[in-house]
Amino acid sequence: GENVEQHPSTLSVQEGDSAVIKCTYSDSASNYFPWYKQELGKRPQLIIDIRSNVGEKKDQRIAVTLNKTAKHFSLHITETQPEDSAVYFCAATSGYSTLTFGKGTMLLVSP
Amino acid sequence: ETGVTQSPTHLIKTRGQQVTLRCSSQSGHNTVSWYQQALGQGPQFIFQYYREEENGRGNFPPRFSGLQFPNYSSELNVNALELDDSALYLCASSLLQGEQFFGPGTRLTVL
Repeated sequence: GENVEQHPSTLSVQEGDSAVIKCTYSDSASNYFPWYKQELGKRPQLIIDIRSNVGEKKDQRIAVTLNKTAKHFSLHITETQPEDSAVYFCAATSGYSTLTFGKGTMLLVSP
Repeated sequence: ETGVTQSPTHLIKTRGQQVTLRCSSQSGHNTVSWYQQALGQGPQFIFQYYREEENGRGNFPPRFSGLQFPNYSSELNVNALELDDSALYLCASSLLQGEQFFGPGTRLTVL
């Protein structure tokens, strides 16, 4: 089955800095890669996703890149704000919506 | 908010007991996936139901079972509860192969 590794487990940045979270996956058949943000005590919320036919996708301050050959994908957050502080999860799936998640990255943005 | 609801929000059980968790999917969705999220970990896939049939199962023992009803709501049943079953249980509704929308979760504590 699919295995997703996520790094780092914690990330501390100053407000306005950029943050990068990296994930690798094992199943070359995986073709959909969402990123979720989970605030303390709340549900995971989709913030951006990418499909395997695309190398990069951007939505305002958030971007995701995908390298299918190397089987890794990354989340980039620019101009970080304190409200970006949360746990971020990457995930991968080869279909039927059964997601395999990474272990999460706790992002702390200090004012 | 996603329109996906779960009940109850919190539950305390003792070892050996049985529990039933419920999930109402978002209108128009025919697929429900269940995940177990232990503290400090990413969600782990339990199983998925599509049009009332199980459509994939993760690495969980048979004492984890489920149902999906004609209105696409779903139940997760866990028999013979163990201490390690303590976790946040998340359901997510979607169309098959579509974006998953998570409910708020049920926090289960097993004493």
